[in-house]
Amino acid sequence: NAGVTQTPKFQVLKTGQSMTLQCAQDMNHEYMSWYRQDPGMGLRLIHYSVGAGITDQGEVPNGYNVSRSTTEDFPLRLLSAAPSQTSVYFCASRRQTYTVAFFGQGTRLTVV
Amino acid sequence: KNEVEQSPQNLTAQEGEFITINCSYSVGISALHWLQQHPGGGIVSLFMLSSGKKKHGRLIATINIQEKHSSLHITASHPRDSAVYICAALLIKAAGNKLTFGGGTRVLVKP
Repeated sequence: NAGVTQTPKFQVLKTGQSMTLQCAQDMNHEYMSWYRQDPGMGLRLIHYSVGAGITDQGEVPNGYNVSRSTTEDFPLRLLSAAPSQTSVYFCASRRQTYTVAFFGQGTRLTVV
Repeated sequence: KNEVEQSPQNLTAQEGEFITINCSYSVGISALHWLQQHPGGGIVSLFMLSSGKKKHGRLIATINIQEKHSSLHITASHPRDSAVYICAALLIKAAGNKLTFGGGTRVLVKP
């Protein structure tokens, strides 16, 4: 099915562990981004990419890495999980600047 | 002050009522998105508009770029419209075509 596939849906990590949140889209979208959503804070941009091989930081990049080796995939890596990274994470993509955005189903991450 | 503000934060309506959600922004934008997030958490894009008005079913979105204001209207509201509605602006100054999000409006439609 066309769309943005985000995995896993739920994850519990211990402080200091690392993990990768996967995001893939099959719509040949140039623009992909990762957000975190916290109560009372709305959606905040972590990292984004405007095409394969090109990534940049958003508002809250610390503690996260990304790469974009292909157009389809945009994984988000947590290097050493901290309780402050407990959040719901969304991956999104869109084809160009003035097109609608498609969101993944979200990942609820808890760091204990 | 956030560059993108939504009002109200919460809204309760009776089934069948007309609902309006407002989004205002303080800087120049080139486009604005309206998103819907259901209690299950998934986010769906409803509209992307840069001028005028768009309609899809019972949903209508309008924007006045010069007045820096957009509205989302729900006609004949239904309990299944209960969700959080979020506006997101594409700021003209934004590097990398980033979106700036409003805080969301939580809508509850009672039967």
